[in-house]
Amino acid sequence: AQSVTQLGSHVSVSEGALVLLRCNYSSSVPPYLFWYVQYPNQGLQLLLKYTSAATLVKGINGFEAEFKKSETSFHLTKPSAHMSDAAEYFCAVIFGSSNTGKLIFGQGTTLQVKP
Amino acid sequence: GAGVSQSPSNKVTEKGKDVELRCDPISGHTALYWYRQRLGQGLEFLIYFQGNSAPDKSGLPSDRFSAERTGESVSTLTIQRTQQEDSAVYLCASSSGQGAQGYTFGSGTRLTVV
Repeated sequence: AQSVTQLGSHVSVSEGALVLLRCNYSSSVPPYLFWYVQYPNQGLQLLLKYTSAATLVKGINGFEAEFKKSETSFHLTKPSAHMSDAAEYFCAVIFGSSNTGKLIFGQGTTLQVKP
Repeated sequence: GAGVSQSPSNKVTEKGKDVELRCDPISGHTALYWYRQRLGQGLEFLIYFQGNSAPDKSGLPSDRFSAERTGESVSTLTIQRTQQEDSAVYLCASSSGQGAQGYTFGSGTRLTVV
């Protein structure tokens, strides 16, 4: 079955440290990949997306993600965490070659940033 | 409108009552989606409308759940005979039909069944 897995439901980093949030998907066909962020008591906001152009995708707020087909991964990184990055992060995938399918979400990773 | 609008933002209802949740998508967006987010969990797909095509209802959890959309405008999600396990945030999203551009989400309706 097509699925999206986010390793680690909670990640805690110190301010200024590297942020790494992991996402793996199950599919032999490269899908469309997204990261969304949800700040406390707010709606989901698109952080970045991969749509078969460059494998390294840059998003808002200094985040980026790299698509690795051989590893079926799309991990999210940021070199230096800020307190304002504390939020829940969701990896999401549209499977198949059509770009008009439904988004399948991972379970989410809560990022805590310690001072 | 400028964004996806959902109403009400909060709804408390008694077990067994019916509820209707409303979503106003971005003008011109042909695709509309409903998701459910239970406390501490990820987003669960419910239903997907694309233009005039038959909706994808594969995510509806039971026959108590139904949704309608007239053309490319407003959608309503109806839950009949609500149960406590229906308590969740119900999120609506729309897109231009080119899913690779990502969806725009509304702020959701927080449903509490008591």
